[in-house]
Amino acid sequence: SAVISQKPSRDICQRGTSLTIQCQVDSQVTMMFWYRQQPGQSLTLIATANQGSEATYESGFVIDKFPISRPNLTFSTLTVSNMSPEDSSIYLCSAQGIGSANTIYFGEGSWLTVV
Amino acid sequence: GQNIDQPTEMTATEGAIVQINCTYQTSGFNGLFWYQQHAGEAPTFLSYNVLDGLEEKGRFSSFLSRSKGYSYLLLKELQMKDSASYLCAVRDGDNAGNMLTFGGGTRLMVKP
Repeated sequence: SAVISQKPSRDICQRGTSLTIQCQVDSQVTMMFWYRQQPGQSLTLIATANQGSEATYESGFVIDKFPISRPNLTFSTLTVSNMSPEDSSIYLCSAQGIGSANTIYFGEGSWLTVV
Repeated sequence: GQNIDQPTEMTATEGAIVQINCTYQTSGFNGLFWYQQHAGEAPTFLSYNVLDGLEEKGRFSSFLSRSKGYSYLLLKELQMKDSASYLCAVRDGDNAGNMLTFGGGTRLMVKP
């Protein structure tokens, strides 16, 4: 199984600022994803992080608000830009490992509170 | 589009058996996952079904019927630590990626 590390694990952010979340996987993975989980809600996919190219965003999410990078097979970043209180959420990195086609793993999440 | 339904809340007694149902309507299908999520923690993988039938893993079992668009997660010999949210997720086979679409989750409360 893949071990996924995210940082920061928790942060309090000022309205209007931006924060970048980092995701590091301990082994090479094929797919990496970013999810959001708002308070009391289930997980919603933000985008698929593509290595060396622009991320693929789901409906309702745009690159200007959530820029994503994936420079190699084991690392990705998600930036939450120009934050507002509505962006207060848990942001989860997810990955599917090579040879583990059936299982998708999650990082521990980054809890952001925007004040 | 995808539509995944599961009960919002369930309550069961320690030592008992509980079945959490999940129904789905998807444009494609490439597997169904169950995850457990304790409050304040990330989801952890429980089970994966892609063929019809029952997959057993210790106290947890998961069943799938593709023709009915139906799955359930069965938890036996319930323990207090099983109190958590249980998330049903479907992988859409029509997309190039392998992303998951999640149901709303079922919050299970185990009582003594």
